[in-house]
Amino acid sequence: AQSVTQLDSHVSVSEGTPVLLRCNYSSSYSPSLFWYVQHPNKGLQLLLKYTSAATLVKGINGFEAEFKKSETSFHLTKPSAHMSDAAEYFCVVSTPGGYNKLIFGAGTRLAVHP
Amino acid sequence: GAVVSQHPSWVICKSGTSVKIECRSLDFQATTMFWYRQFPKQSLMLMATSNEGSKATYEQGVEKDKFLINHASLTLSTLTVTSAHPEDSSFYICSATLPGAGNQPQHFGDGTRLSIL
Repeated sequence: AQSVTQLDSHVSVSEGTPVLLRCNYSSSYSPSLFWYVQHPNKGLQLLLKYTSAATLVKGINGFEAEFKKSETSFHLTKPSAHMSDAAEYFCVVSTPGGYNKLIFGAGTRLAVHP
Repeated sequence: GAVVSQHPSWVICKSGTSVKIECRSLDFQATTMFWYRQFPKQSLMLMATSNEGSKATYEQGVEKDKFLINHASLTLSTLTVTSAHPEDSSFYICSATLPGAGNQPQHFGDGTRLSIL
């Protein structure tokens, strides 16, 4: 069975400092993994995806994530936080099969302080 | 590319009425669309998978007769909340995938905030 665990429900950083949002996954198959961001009262925007190519994945807005099979992790990082990064972040795994169903983590709320 | 539009963005209505939410893929054809529900400060819960030209596949615990899904064209899926009650108030989000390999990411609409009085 597939599952995703986001290790922190809330993360607070100062503007200009690094961001680390942690995600562990469980999968019986070689997984496809995604990070999405959601701003208040909005839908989800894809930040990046891992689909068994390069283990270090670069996304939009300076975010990147590293797939570590030995640790079953897919942590999201950014070298320097901006105020506009404050949002909810979801780590997501895709189930195998034709319909590409997604399994969402519980989400991590990122707060960025001046 | 891969823009998904959802309408309306916000709806308030009286208990007992039915509400229709539209989900459109603007610049691509989506044979499969998904409907999610999100409660405040919680993650997304998949309600159903909508396939063009066939019946939707509902997740366990989701009432088919309560949440009617129609996917009549390759660019439009609709979710109708029938005889809505206050407990149906929630944020509803649709998504669609580009045709092709199963590892395509889903592209999400901006959601519909439904408030039942």
